[in-house]
Amino acid sequence: QKEVEQDPGPLSVPEGAIVSLNCTYSNSAFQYFMWYRQYSRKGPELLMYTYSSGNKEDGRFTAQVDKSSKYISLFIRDSQPSDSATYLCAMNYGGATNKLIFGTGTLLAVQP
Amino acid sequence: ETGVTQSPTHLIKTRGQQVTLRCSSQSGHNTVSWYQQALGQGPQFIFQYYREEENGRGNFPPRFSGLQFPNYSSELNVNALELDDSALYLCASSRPSGGASRATQYFGPGTRLTVL
Repeated sequence: QKEVEQDPGPLSVPEGAIVSLNCTYSNSAFQYFMWYRQYSRKGPELLMYTYSSGNKEDGRFTAQVDKSSKYISLFIRDSQPSDSATYLCAMNYGGATNKLIFGTGTLLAVQP
Repeated sequence: ETGVTQSPTHLIKTRGQQVTLRCSSQSGHNTVSWYQQALGQGPQFIFQYYREEENGRGNFPPRFSGLQFPNYSSELNVNALELDDSALYLCASSRPSGGASRATQYFGPGTRLTVL
């Protein structure tokens, strides 16, 4: 079993839709949770990070962490064609070696 | 503030050769991590350098090695290249302070390595 599971998609939505992206994980020791956006053939770009359980909002993006269910989500409101990319969830333990454990990524296409 | 930079952008090598990839960390960041991203997969942690010493390693063989320099830039060296080493190699840097600042990492554009 992978430590972090993420539906690879692809997910196709019309412009203006609300998008929900999700990851589940198995290790309760994870402390920090991140979402990265990666355009084709580019490096991942940090969108949001959350420490422990709770919600965090930044513009059209909302990140949620439910540690009791080992489940994290990213919501995108009023989706735009420019949001079309692969979205990667990532987590780490917050210890001395803050290595990131990634999901496989979900490919999102927002249709104009 | 200058972001993470990597060179070269693309590289083609043949099986058995050796390769060196380079990374300059973001200004103010003293920790550098390297990741391998195969096509259609999430990045996999190779190793991390902090204050010029290896500070954690993923499940990669010893032919993957690295260096960090006093200016916090870093190199990834791969010896005896194999076909499966074809991937996007990503460098990420993070701040020296604790908590969330240290946990979050900022990535460069990557070096795409093709092994023939």
